[in-house]
Amino acid sequence: QKEVEQNSGPLSVPEGAIASLNCTYSDRGSQSFFWYRQYSGKSPELIMSIYSNGDKEDGRFTAQLNKASQYVSLLIRDSQPSDSATYLCAVKRFQGAQKLVFGQGTRLTINP
Amino acid sequence: DAGVIQSPRHEVTEMGQEVTLRCKPISGHDYLFWYRQTMMRGLELLIYFNNNVPIDDSGMPEDRFSAKMPNASFSTLKIQPSEPRDSAVYFCASSLEEGLLQETQYFGPGTRLLVL
Repeated sequence: QKEVEQNSGPLSVPEGAIASLNCTYSDRGSQSFFWYRQYSGKSPELIMSIYSNGDKEDGRFTAQLNKASQYVSLLIRDSQPSDSATYLCAVKRFQGAQKLVFGQGTRLTINP
Repeated sequence: DAGVIQSPRHEVTEMGQEVTLRCKPISGHDYLFWYRQTMMRGLELLIYFNNNVPIDDSGMPEDRFSAKMPNASFSTLKIQPSEPRDSAVYFCASSLEEGLLQETQYFGPGTRLLVL
């Protein structure tokens, strides 16, 4: 079992709809969770971080965390073609740790 | 700030040659990370430094790989001898520890390495 698992996609969503990206992790002691966006040929950039169970909203993005189910998700509302990218889920095992474990990423395509 | 700087951006070399990748972290950042990204294995951490000291090199694939950080503004990742399976994009990232929540890692543009 991989430490961090994502559906590789591709996930295709019509413009204006909600895109839902999911991630599961195996280490129950994990403390910090991140979503990175990576455009083709570019480097990853952090878009959301979440540490507590529940939802965290930032503009059109909402991160959801359920530690009991070891599940993290990212919702993108009002999807735009510019949201087309690969989304990487990353997990940090414990507070103070520096090492991030990344999932394989989900490729998202927003269709105009 | 200019962000994390990596050089070269592209490198094509022949099997058996030595390859040196370079990274300049964001000024003031005290953590530096080297990652490798391939289609098969995704984004993998190779090694990271804190205040120029290597902390965790468990991701370094084998003795052919070595990394150094002689000062706070420069790090190298060396592959000697290189093999075709080393072909990948190598990213350098840096971050700043802020209390217990050192979170955002800023990635450089990457070096695309092709070993023939």
